[in-house]
Amino acid sequence: QPVLTQSSSASASLGSSVKLTCTLSSGHSSYIIAWHQQQPGKAPRYLMKLEGSGSYNKGSGVPDRFSGSSSGADRYLTISNLQSDDEADYYCETWDRNKRHWVFGGGTKVTVL
Amino acid sequence: EVQLVESGGGLVQPGGSLRLSCAASGLTFSSYSMNWVRQAPGKGLEWVSYISSSSSNIHYADSVKGRFTISRDNAKNSLYLQMNSLRDEDTAVYYCASAFYSSGWYVDYWGQGTLVTVSS
Repeated sequence: QPVLTQSSSASASLGSSVKLTCTLSSGHSSYIIAWHQQQPGKAPRYLMKLEGSGSYNKGSGVPDRFSGSSSGADRYLTISNLQSDDEADYYCETWDRNKRHWVFGGGTKVTVL
Repeated sequence: EVQLVESGGGLVQPGGSLRLSCAASGLTFSSYSMNWVRQAPGKGLEWVSYISSSSSNIHYADSVKGRFTISRDNAKNSLYLQMNSLRDEDTAVYYCASAFYSSGWYVDYWGQGTLVTVSS
């Protein structure tokens, strides 16, 4: 079963950039993932699907400031020109094709300084 | 605009039952696979159950297998979760979420959630 590992927190200054990492467990480096944003007190929101090639597809209305990339088992979410609105929890998610279950990472809390 | 609206949450005693509903609009519901995902207070997201567009494939997390039943009514654009033998640890916000397949399955839309509290 794939396991998704995320750092618990990250911080960066208003207007700067932050790069979040989601690492797939051994044997699952080819899996696609999705990134989701959850602002305080709100439901999650789909940001993008990200493939091992680095190709990504964003959801409707997701700003250009959000981009994705990949390297081996690592999947990245980069937020440029950080805004106060970007302060949120960010979760990665994948599908276990063997057990046919969904798996979520533990989430990264982003603080905008 | 896609909208997923959950309802049916509330306070229930341990061992009790509750039925959640999710009304979908803005998407061709009968073509979409659907999930229930929950979030305990202050915790991360936990997948609960999946149902395919035609109800032919259904899967559950080990934590709810045998207690929860997912179903759908495509004529009513609605998804359901029957929860029996509820435990304290089932306390969470329950989200309805649609799933899309492109090189793999992933969640592409979320509802606003409904709170289930299991307590005596």
